[in-house]
Amino acid sequence: EAGVTQFPSHSVIEKGQTVTLRCDPISGHDNLYWYRRVMGKEIKFLLHFVKESKQDESGMPNNRFLAERTGGTYSTLKVQPAELEDSGVYFCASSQGFSGGRNEQFFGPGTRLTVL
Amino acid sequence: AQSVSQHNHHVILSEAASLELGCNYSYGGTVNLFWYVQYPGQHLQLLLKYFSGDPLVKGIKGFEAEFIKSKFSFNLRKPSVQWSDTAEYFCAVSPKAAGNKLTFGGGTRVLVKP
Repeated sequence: EAGVTQFPSHSVIEKGQTVTLRCDPISGHDNLYWYRRVMGKEIKFLLHFVKESKQDESGMPNNRFLAERTGGTYSTLKVQPAELEDSGVYFCASSQGFSGGRNEQFFGPGTRLTVL
Repeated sequence: AQSVSQHNHHVILSEAASLELGCNYSYGGTVNLFWYVQYPGQHLQLLLKYFSGDPLVKGIKGFEAEFIKSKFSFNLRKPSVQWSDTAEYFCAVSPKAAGNKLTFGGGTRVLVKP
């Protein structure tokens, strides 16, 4: 069974440009999460989809970030326009439906974003 | 809001030495607890998890962790490390009630010298 995949693995863009990151969760996983790790800091939650619906987007930094999950399958995270502080590694994770709160998340390899 | 603190940012030890990584969390309700590991060039993977029951949890590769509720701690241990345990280790918690988003500690880089 394929794991969580993310594309691209690396992206280098200039300040003001737009970047779109993609995450393909494990097939059948309703829950999809985005996290980010800025250099030297901890991994931080961005948002959570249940199927195509945003369950929790409390971690999204600002309105330059837009996440979608059309059809409840893959998800995209767009940053427009990118700023220097957006640099970091963006992780995607997926999990099956809740079962009394027992929810193991499987992580993708991450996308390393560098904004120059 | 919950927070997770890992006591050490970097740990260097020799093969066969024992490893203990500290993790404390702050949260008013009940939580699920996790340790994730990221080996060089690989993605985050689950090392072990605690949901309920026996507070001593055994994970993969000889790791174990003990949940001490009164201390809000979930320390990771391995009696004898190998060079292949060189990795970054992350403690994480998720509230049982709220969507299971993970709150991570800052990570501990462990270097095992051969």
